[in-house]
Amino acid sequence: SQQGEEDPQALSIQEGENATMNCSYKTSINNLQWYRQNSGRGLVHLILIRSNEREKHSGRLRVTLDTSKKSSSLLITASRAADTASYFCATYGGGGSQGNLIFGKGTKLSVKP
Amino acid sequence: AAGVIQSPRHLIKEKRETATLKCYPIPRHDTVYWYQQGPGQDPQFLISFYEKMQSDKGSIPDRFSAQQFSDYHSELNMSSLELGDSALYFCASSLRVGNSPLHFGNGTRLTVT
Repeated sequence: SQQGEEDPQALSIQEGENATMNCSYKTSINNLQWYRQNSGRGLVHLILIRSNEREKHSGRLRVTLDTSKKSSSLLITASRAADTASYFCATYGGGGSQGNLIFGKGTKLSVKP
Repeated sequence: AAGVIQSPRHLIKEKRETATLKCYPIPRHDTVYWYQQGPGQDPQFLISFYEKMQSDKGSIPDRFSAQQFSDYHSELNMSSLELGDSALYFCASSLRVGNSPLHFGNGTRLTVT
């Protein structure tokens, strides 16, 4: 079963606006990671939040984690056209054990200049 | 810094042919992963290796096999190719300790005609 599900599936905003993407997962986790993928390219790790953390910041990125609701959100503030990409959350399968990283369906973000 | 290198970048094969994809992980990374990503889909985990031994197996068809060699490079062998095998194939590497983030290559785009 899919470990992470993102919503919305697609998001279109204007430059300067904030973008919020949500992710839900099903099993217990040690951490949750967010990745970005430009079209046809490899995924790039953005940020990792551990299960004992509630919020984490990195530049214009803010990630929250609610383990009671098994959900996470990624906020990109002051978006730029260069932020246009697909964003995936990912958790390790097998109840958080190191093994295979399972990705959600992803949110396709389009930032219009 | 050295990244994950995949070759070839593009590959066109006919049905029932075989294909071999190569991956050179980041030096000193002990874990290699293979993912398949269909058009508009999330990356699906195929198989992983830890210290050259198969670690986890995902949705890898029996027609596919993979191995990791003594120099840590990995190869994904695909036989009896089907049209549905057309996808982007990503290799990623990481350090197993601490659920470290995955570093992805730019993928091999396989087209089966």
